[in-house]
Amino acid sequence: ETGVTQSPTHLIKTRGQQVTLRCSSQSGHNTVSWYQQALGQGPQFIFQYYREEENGRGNFPPRFSGLQFPNYSSELNVNALELDDSALYLCASSLADNEQFFGPGTRLTVL
Amino acid sequence: RKEVEQDPGPFNVPEGATVAFNCTYSNSASQSFFWYRQDCRKEPKLLMSVYSSGNEDGRFTAQLNRASQYISLLIRDSKLSDSATYLCVVKDPSGSARQLTFGSGTQLTVLP
Repeated sequence: ETGVTQSPTHLIKTRGQQVTLRCSSQSGHNTVSWYQQALGQGPQFIFQYYREEENGRGNFPPRFSGLQFPNYSSELNVNALELDDSALYLCASSLADNEQFFGPGTRLTVL
Repeated sequence: RKEVEQDPGPFNVPEGATVAFNCTYSNSASQSFFWYRQDCRKEPKLLMSVYSSGNEDGRFTAQLNRASQYISLLIRDSKLSDSATYLCVVKDPSGSARQLTFGSGTQLTVLP
């Protein structure tokens, strides 16, 4: 077990809805990275939060947004859901630039 | 061209076989390389880092060829428990996030 938890484990939404996914980082870690993994693909970097500030972003539209809280837990918000947003969403926590430990993921299905 | 490209697989091998996975990366400035293992419907887990001089961890050997921008993973004496998807990963050398860039993965099934 990595000590990284995510909620919910599964989620079903319809197109146009909004969703919030949550991640609790491992104790002592101050950085959270979010990834999207479509079926049959490797994870793709969405963005990273370091000490409550966005610290880099991948090639995802602005409707993907996030937050990091003072306890270093994090949220990923996706607005105006599209069918292609169906994927496994993974968060990974780390101490700054050190090894990233992944949570079990949230499987999102958009109908 | 994808930033990290892997053999698509799948690889189906008998127990005890030796199997090799290959990966190429496009950014010549990349400096950190890894192999991750992902079991079905689970999160990726770090299998091993890849060093310039090559490195070994039990039955697993990783090699890096910077000139060819090529990474490999060799698994000797395959076990049933090695069945998983193996992800080649490169750490972005630039930018503040230094995020991980993953290949699409190669699926391995070890058969009894």
